[in-house]
Amino acid sequence: AQSVSQHNHHVILSEAASLELGCNYSYGGTVNLFWYVQYPGQHLQLLLKYFSGDPLVKGIKGFEAEFIKSKFSFNLRKPSVQWSDTAEYFCAVKSFTGNQFYFGTGTSLTVIP
Amino acid sequence: NAGVTQTPKFQVLKTGQSMTLQCAQDMNHEYMSWYRQDPGMGLRLIHYSVGAGITDQGEVPNGYNVSRSTTEDFPLRLLSAAPSQTSVYFCASSWGTGGNTDTQYFGPGTRLTVL
Repeated sequence: AQSVSQHNHHVILSEAASLELGCNYSYGGTVNLFWYVQYPGQHLQLLLKYFSGDPLVKGIKGFEAEFIKSKFSFNLRKPSVQWSDTAEYFCAVKSFTGNQFYFGTGTSLTVIP
Repeated sequence: NAGVTQTPKFQVLKTGQSMTLQCAQDMNHEYMSWYRQDPGMGLRLIHYSVGAGITDQGEVPNGYNVSRSTTEDFPLRLLSAAPSQTSVYFCASSWGTGGNTDTQYFGPGTRLTVL
């Protein structure tokens, strides 16, 4: 089975600080990679995904992630966070030919105004 | 479109009781799945379906059954509830699982407590 590691469990930042959340996965083959976000009281929704092409992926609300195949990583970044980014962030992976999605344990981000 | 809907929103069961969590989607998605979310564990896949009549097990299938008689509906059955099944359950759907079709749309969740 594949696994996904998110190293930061809780992150607290001040507004305008830069954000980087780590995500590493274990699978040697071709993968699709995702970041999902769960805002307080809302459904999980897709932030961005990588399935082919440019390893630097841009998503909604100014987020981006870089797929580094040699490091099995898909870290999420945002240059300047806002209070409204307070949420839980989940990294997920799926093998290109598989049907199962594997999620990390999530990172809780709190942005202080 | 209503998207992915789940009922009930909250449920309290006693150990040994059975119940069905309902999930429906109106996007004509082929792929549907059930996850449970527990503190410190993230989301774990219980069962999934790649189309009507086809289901398969995920990471944590024990104690749960599913069926997919229509494209729209994917109910999750707890056969004999146990306290270890206390969790938040999410249903999700996507067009497929390949290429650019695998963006999952999640329901609002069902918070289940087993006493």
